Amino acid sequence: GENVEQHPSTLSVQEGDSAVIKCTYSDSASNYFPWYKQELGKRPQLIIDIRSNVGEKKDQRIAVTLNKTAKHFSLHITETQPEDSAVYFCAARTGNTGKLIFGQGTTLQVKP
Amino acid sequence: NAGVMQNPRHLVRRRGQEARLRCSPMKGHSHVYWYRQLPEEGLKFMVYLQKENIIDESGMPKERFSAEFPKEGPSILRIQQVVRGDSAAYFCASSPPGREGEKLFFGSGTQLSVL
Repeated sequence: GENVEQHPSTLSVQEGDSAVIKCTYSDSASNYFPWYKQELGKRPQLIIDIRSNVGEKKDQRIAVTLNKTAKHFSLHITETQPEDSAVYFCAARTGNTGKLIFGQGTTLQVKP
Repeated sequence: NAGVMQNPRHLVRRRGQEARLRCSPMKGHSHVYWYRQLPEEGLKFMVYLQKENIIDESGMPKERFSAEFPKEGPSILRIQQVVRGDSAAYFCASSPPGREGEKLFFGSGTQLSVL
């Protein structure tokens, strides 16, 4: 069935380092891949997304890459700051009804 | 433009009672999604609705759970005869029609606690 796997489940980096989170998806018809950031007790917020017709997208310190052949996509955060600490979720839009299926989440801790 | 509004923010129910969770989508949005989140877990899809129509309910438990999105008024997620395992945060999201309909905007969630 439709599934999204996300790794790692936790990630700790020093301030200023880069962080990479990886996801794989099962539905080959998926065509839209967003990333959400959720701070403790808050709502998930969209931070960046990519459609299947491009391989990479950048927005300041964050970037997302997509490999459709391998069915995986990654989030890259450069020059991490303490305020980047949160749970990050990847998601894939299914090809049939268009719902978003989410990964299990990655808890990112940026140590000052 | 107000965001997605969910109420109540916190709901306490005793086992066997009914829980009703409300979601008002953003203005102009015609699609509503419900997700459940257990502590330190991901967002589990429950149901996807358009006005007066259920598009995908593949994530809804077969019993006790139902959802609607009427022509007028908010979307309602209803849980009958709640059990302790229903305790979770329930998030609603909405999206606009058309190409931008891929982007989901989430509400602040309802934290359901079953005693």
